[in-house]
Amino acid sequence: DIQMTQSPYSLSASVGDRVTITCRASQSISSNLNWYQQKQGKAPKLLISAASSLQSGVPSRFSGSGSGTDFTLTISSLQPEDFATYYCQQSYHSLTYSFGQGTKLEI
Amino acid sequence: QITLKESGPTLVKPTQTLTLTCTFSEFSLITTGVGVGWIRQPPGRALEWLAHIYWNDNKYYSTSLKTRLTITKDTSRNQVVLTMTNMDPVDTATYYCARLNGNNHYSFDYWGPGILVTVSS
Repeated sequence: DIQMTQSPYSLSASVGDRVTITCRASQSISSNLNWYQQKQGKAPKLLISAASSLQSGVPSRFSGSGSGTDFTLTISSLQPEDFATYYCQQSYHSLTYSFGQGTKLEI
Repeated sequence: QITLKESGPTLVKPTQTLTLTCTFSEFSLITTGVGVGWIRQPPGRALEWLAHIYWNDNKYYSTSLKTRLTITKDTSRNQVVLTMTNMDPVDTATYYCARLNGNNHYSFDYWGPGILVTVSS
């Protein structure tokens, strides 16, 4: 099974900061990497698919990059509504999937 | 507007079998590339993918849980059912169903609100 490792586990930042979250796969997954945002008590929301494809309605301050085993999610200028937990998810085989352990972004 | 909603018991006893139903609208499980998956999240912990089923009835399960899981679909009723046998307190979690979109890089692009299932005697 493919293991996904996110770093950091938690991150403290301020409004207006630029933040980067990293996700590493245990083997190459090409660009088959999706990012989700989850707010407390809510279902996750898809932000980015295929490593860098921003979903409709997602603010352009979110961006994703990477391929192979190393990926990043960047928020260019944090807004109050961005404080949440972020998960990466691989879909390499389209057969079995796995999520990272999450990165909690706190004020 | 695409919606999904999970239903089932919120309290089960250890050793019992859990049956959860995902009822969805505004998409079909006969559309090529579309599937429905189940993901769970224990309180305060990370998301864990459990299983998914595709439009062509192909089914895939988590390696660690596959002996306990069964996923089926009823396309006429727009439902996907997940059963998990031999429930244990460690299976206490919020269970989500989500649309799996093969036409969007196999991402879970729409989610239900989740159902909290507690395993306790």
